[in-house]
Amino acid sequence: AQSVSQHNHHVILSEAASLELGCNYSYGGTVNLFWYVQYPGQHLQLLLKYFSGDPLVKGIKGFEAEFIKSKFSFNLRKPSVQWSDTAEYFCAVNTNAGKSTFGDGTTLTVKP
Amino acid sequence: DVKVTQSSRYLVKRTGEKVFLECVQDMDHENMFWYRQDPGLGLRLIYFSYDVKMKEKGDIPEGYSVSREKKERFSLILESASTNQTSMYLCASSFRTGAYEQYFGPGTRLTVT
Repeated sequence: AQSVSQHNHHVILSEAASLELGCNYSYGGTVNLFWYVQYPGQHLQLLLKYFSGDPLVKGIKGFEAEFIKSKFSFNLRKPSVQWSDTAEYFCAVNTNAGKSTFGDGTTLTVKP
Repeated sequence: DVKVTQSSRYLVKRTGEKVFLECVQDMDHENMFWYRQDPGLGLRLIYFSYDVKMKEKGDIPEGYSVSREKKERFSLILESASTNQTSMYLCASSFRTGAYEQYFGPGTRLTVT
């Protein structure tokens, strides 16, 4: 069975600080990897995804993630966070049938 | 834009009641999902449907059942609600293969008293 581990449950940063959220997965087959974000009071929405090709993927609002196959990792990064990035972030891995396993989530608080 | 709608944003039910949560998507997606979201536990899959009348148990199916009679609609049923089913319930949909992301509804916050 696949599993997803997010290393940090709660991260607090000041504006302009750099962000890296860790995500490791356990799955033996071909993976499709996702980061979703849930802003306060809003739906979960896609931030970025990887399914093939360039392991460095770019998403909305300046976020990027790097797939490192040898480390089973898909870490999320942003060079300079803003107060509006305050949200909960979820890493997920899909099977070929489209079923997802989510990590426990990381709550990011950005202080102005 | 894909739209996933859920029948209620907030619901309060009594222990032992039968509860229906409905979800509708408008993008002709094959897959539909029901999750519950609890603080510190992320999203846990309750049931998954990959076609009309087809369903598969997720990680926490106990106490729940589902129905998918039409492609666009996926219902979650709590046969006899209990207080430990108080939670946020999220519906999602996607195309069939794993390369596609899921689209989420706004959620239903269910309180069982």
